[in-house]
Amino acid sequence: QKEVEQNSGPLSVPEGAIASLNCTYSDRGSQSFFWYRQYSGKSPELIMFIYSNGDKEDGRFTAQLNKASQYVSLLIRDSQPSDSATYLCAVIPVNTDKLIFGTGTRLQVFP
Amino acid sequence: DVKVTQSSRYLVKRTGEKVFLECVQDMDHENMFWYRQDPGLGLRLIYFSYDVKMKEKGDIPEGYSVSREKKERFSLILESASTNQTSMYLCASSFVGASLSDEQFFGPGTRLTVL
Repeated sequence: QKEVEQNSGPLSVPEGAIASLNCTYSDRGSQSFFWYRQYSGKSPELIMFIYSNGDKEDGRFTAQLNKASQYVSLLIRDSQPSDSATYLCAVIPVNTDKLIFGTGTRLQVFP
Repeated sequence: DVKVTQSSRYLVKRTGEKVFLECVQDMDHENMFWYRQDPGLGLRLIYFSYDVKMKEKGDIPEGYSVSREKKERFSLILESASTNQTSMYLCASSFVGASLSDEQFFGPGTRLTVL
């Protein structure tokens, strides 16, 4: 079982819709959870982090964490074509400073 | 703004050559990391360093070594390059603080091709 799992996609949504990106992780003791966005040919950039159960909102982005289900998601409201990218879920397991990345989900927002 | 720079964006080397990839960060970060990124495999950690002259193996250290002689610089060395080391190499750095949100800042990446 992979430590961090994501559906590779592509996830295609129309402009203005809500895009929902999902991630599961295997280490129950994990403390910190991150969503990175990576445009084609570019390096990853942090969008959001979350470490408490529940929702965390930042503009059009909402991260949701459910530690009991070992599940973290990213919602993008009012999706724009400029949101088209690969979204990487990353987790810091317990007792380490290492980020463990998922393989990413490719999002396509069409006009 | 945090800036992480890498010595080359594109590099072509021959099998058996010794390859040096350099990474420099300008924010006095303690932690520095080297990853490689391959399609379908995501980002995989090669080595990381908590401090000058400190290094720790990541998930795939075989065939690589690192050097950290100064806090701002972290070098990745391929002692004898092989074709299976053709990949995108990403350097990152982070600050070790009290917060759990220790964001890693990434450099632009080096696309290495080994012929």
